[in-house]
Amino acid sequence: GAVVSQHPSRVICKSGTSVKIECRSLDFQATTMFWYRQFPKQSLMLMATSNEGSKATYEQGVEKDKFLINHASLTLSTLTVTSAHPEDSSFYICSAHKPGLDIDTQYFGPGTRLTVL
Amino acid sequence: KNEVEQSPQNLTAQEGEFITINCSYSVGISALHWLQQHPGGGIVSLFMLSSGKKKHGRLIATINIQEKHSSLHITASHPRDSAVYICAVKETSGSRLTFGEGTQLTVNP
Repeated sequence: GAVVSQHPSRVICKSGTSVKIECRSLDFQATTMFWYRQFPKQSLMLMATSNEGSKATYEQGVEKDKFLINHASLTLSTLTVTSAHPEDSSFYICSAHKPGLDIDTQYFGPGTRLTVL
Repeated sequence: KNEVEQSPQNLTAQEGEFITINCSYSVGISALHWLQQHPGGGIVSLFMLSSGKKKHGRLIATINIQEKHSSLHITASHPRDSAVYICAVKETSGSRLTFGEGTQLTVNP
């Protein structure tokens, strides 16, 4: 099956710093990638939809200036958490949308655990 | 009322038992995913269904489009099956997924 990677898998940073998370589709081109956030014992919450070559679409309540998304190529999307605070500590997961002849599929990355001290 | 509802929320079983997790949804969909999330956090896509039934090893997934219902079955359950199982639907329009709240499965030896 298709593979999606995320880097880093874990990051610990100080409050006020910025953190960049990469999401790559390794063996297919993804025109659309999704960024999710998951708090403990909760389901995934969609943060934004990242479209290659255009601005991301953010969900209601997600600050676009705080969570910067760049989808510069068909295989890479990045999420930058700017001026991170402890409340941004969470598990961030990306998925890549693979258009298909039959049903479009989404493949999930392994996630990035962010801890802000 | 959530657009995607799963039951049960928590399920504890003994090794070897047959397990069923249910998912009901209220929107028009083009596909339904069953996902598995282990304690480490990584998500694995188990099945994607648009109709009928799929089987992979000890896992079986079914969907009834008319009734807007899907089930995930695990035969001969094993402690390594312990994880959170998440149902997610892809609505007819667009490519985003809507997630259920997940079912925490614990299989005891």
